[in-house]
Amino acid sequence: EDKVVQSPLSLVVHEGDTVTLNCSYEVTNFRSLLWYKQEKKAPTFLFMLTSSGIEKKSGRLSSILDKKELFSILNITATQTGDSAVYLCAVQAFTGTASKLTFGTGTRLQVTL
Amino acid sequence: GAVVSQHPSWVICKSGTSVKIECRSLDFQATTMFWYRQFPKQSLMLMATSNEGSKATYEQGVEKDKFLINHASLTLSTLTVTSAHPEDSSFYICSARDRLAGGWSNEQFFGPGTRLTVL
Repeated sequence: EDKVVQSPLSLVVHEGDTVTLNCSYEVTNFRSLLWYKQEKKAPTFLFMLTSSGIEKKSGRLSSILDKKELFSILNITATQTGDSAVYLCAVQAFTGTASKLTFGTGTRLQVTL
Repeated sequence: GAVVSQHPSWVICKSGTSVKIECRSLDFQATTMFWYRQFPKQSLMLMATSNEGSKATYEQGVEKDKFLINHASLTLSTLTVTSAHPEDSSFYICSARDRLAGGWSNEQFFGPGTRLTVL
């Protein structure tokens, strides 16, 4: 059974801090790893990673994948209160004729003033 | 960008009744739609994959007779929770994959979710 584990489950930081969120996985027929941000409703897409060692960046957010060690990290620098959300990691795996996503439990980030 | 809508946003019903949730792709055609369930403070769990014109594929542990899925057109999939009970109370989210994307595409566009509360 495909498995995605995120850590920590929850953290609280002060505005301006840098945080690192972790995602490890055990998946058959791995295709890609995706990061999402979920506030109150449906997840919004952040990054998709398919190759090891290539950092994806978007503003203060960046992410990298290690396919040998089967994990990814999501970094957020200079955090702001608007970054408070649940960050979900999902792995896309090939199921034969299509693909499906398996989500981790998420990391709940709270950024305080 | 691609937009997926869900209706209703929020529903409260009595135990034993059936509830239908609609998922629509508004500006693209979706041959594949996915239904997820999310309990409080937990992650999204895939319930089933809905393919237009064919039977849905259910994940292990999901009762297909309880969660009826119909994907009758390229823009609409419905999930009916039959004989709902309080333990079915959850946040149900659908996502849709563009017909023009390949099977490997990561492009799943998520709907805003439907919060179901069964009394």
